[in-house]
Amino acid sequence: NAGVTQTPKFQVLKTGQSMTLQCAQDMNHNSMYWYRQDPGMGLRLIYYSASEGTTDKGEVPNGYNVSRLNKREFSLRLESAAPSQTSVYFCASSGSGRAGEQYFGPGTRLTVT
Amino acid sequence: QKEVEQDPGPLSVPEGAIVSLNCTYSNSAFQYFMWYRQYSRKGPELLMYTYSSGNKEDGRFTAQVDKSSKYISLFIRDSQPSDSATYLCAMSARSGAGSYQLTFGKGTKLSVIP
Repeated sequence: NAGVTQTPKFQVLKTGQSMTLQCAQDMNHNSMYWYRQDPGMGLRLIYYSASEGTTDKGEVPNGYNVSRLNKREFSLRLESAAPSQTSVYFCASSGSGRAGEQYFGPGTRLTVT
Repeated sequence: QKEVEQDPGPLSVPEGAIVSLNCTYSNSAFQYFMWYRQYSRKGPELLMYTYSSGNKEDGRFTAQVDKSSKYISLFIRDSQPSDSATYLCAMSARSGAGSYQLTFGKGTKLSVIP
């Protein structure tokens, strides 16, 4: 039982390049989330998916797109990376257990130069 | 005013000390309160979960919720160097949509000195 996995662990992009961050969970959870974490800003929700087939914007969605590929997988895409998107990105999932309880992946450290 | 306020610290204490970490919030709809622990370069992991006002104890950790004051606390007794981490408070309101969005504090960085 791996929990929530994320790939890649590290990535360096040039401004304007695109990339997709991958997330998968093996806990049969319905809901999945993408956050970014910046120094002094805490964790901020980018997008979430309440269930397979649905996605919604969070607090900071601009510059990102998401795809809920199936129940297990939720990807985050940067179409044209900007230095302001330099951050640590976390994926999380939650199921039918305690309300609000989320399980986090190990994160992807992204640097945009 | 931010929905959730948390002093970022850093907080440095000697081994064996009692640590008190706190968050205040403004949204009276919050009903579920959590504390996450995040070690350096790792993902947050759930440490404590509370639903109602009052205290909840788990080993050396006690979570306290005071809804009337919109104030939550985490106490760590007999602190250990392994407790050195960033502690994030998080809270959520009831949702009918099946998923619960968490609002996080900015986190308090704790160092326990041997």
